[in-house]
Amino acid sequence: SAVISQKPSRDICQRGTSLTIQCQVDSQVTMMFWYRQQPGQSLTLIATANQGSEATYESGFVIDKFPISRPNLTFSTLTVSNMSPEDSSIYLCSVELWEGLGTDTQYFGPGTRLTVL
Amino acid sequence: GQQLNQSPQSMFIQEGEDVSMNCTSSSIFNTWLWYKQDPGEGPVLLIALYKAGELTSNGRLTAQFGITRKDSFLNISASIPSDVGIYFCAGQLIPPTSGTYKYIFGTGTRLKVLA
Repeated sequence: SAVISQKPSRDICQRGTSLTIQCQVDSQVTMMFWYRQQPGQSLTLIATANQGSEATYESGFVIDKFPISRPNLTFSTLTVSNMSPEDSSIYLCSVELWEGLGTDTQYFGPGTRLTVL
Repeated sequence: GQQLNQSPQSMFIQEGEDVSMNCTSSSIFNTWLWYKQDPGEGPVLLIALYKAGELTSNGRLTAQFGITRKDSFLNISASIPSDVGIYFCAGQLIPPTSGTYKYIFGTGTRLKVLA
């Protein structure tokens, strides 16, 4: 398994501002993911962040709104830009680990609870 | 975004009862993962399934990877109050062209256990 931490754990922000969320994992991983979980909903993939390449965004998510950095194999950041109340969600990072031949799994951080006023 | 059909959406059960929930899709998946999420926390991995037909247990939890690779179920036996939470399935989707694997999540099952 992996130990994943996120900062901040929660924040309350004003509309129009930006927030950068950090994700740190205790081992080197190739693939990291960023998800959004709106209140009472399931998880929706925002983008996949591989070290050394540009993030791959899912339909409905764009780099200008959610820029991602992946400077090394243990760290990533997600920025929520020009925030509006509709961006109020839990933002989760996750990593994919290979635990044996054909046995990859995905582990999650504790999440960042964002409220935009 | 794309999501898996998960049922039931929510359930109230008595302590000691068995619980069953499932996920279905029109897509074929490589891997099925089952998670539990408590309020204010990230999802915690419960069981991982890698082969069609595979049946795996983890304590009181049992999950199976459907033969068609399009579905999976999770059973909880003899439920206890700490089983309360939201349970999500996730399927690893193979992209149509060479690209990144990604996981699609179910809509969630909210479980409430009555003592």
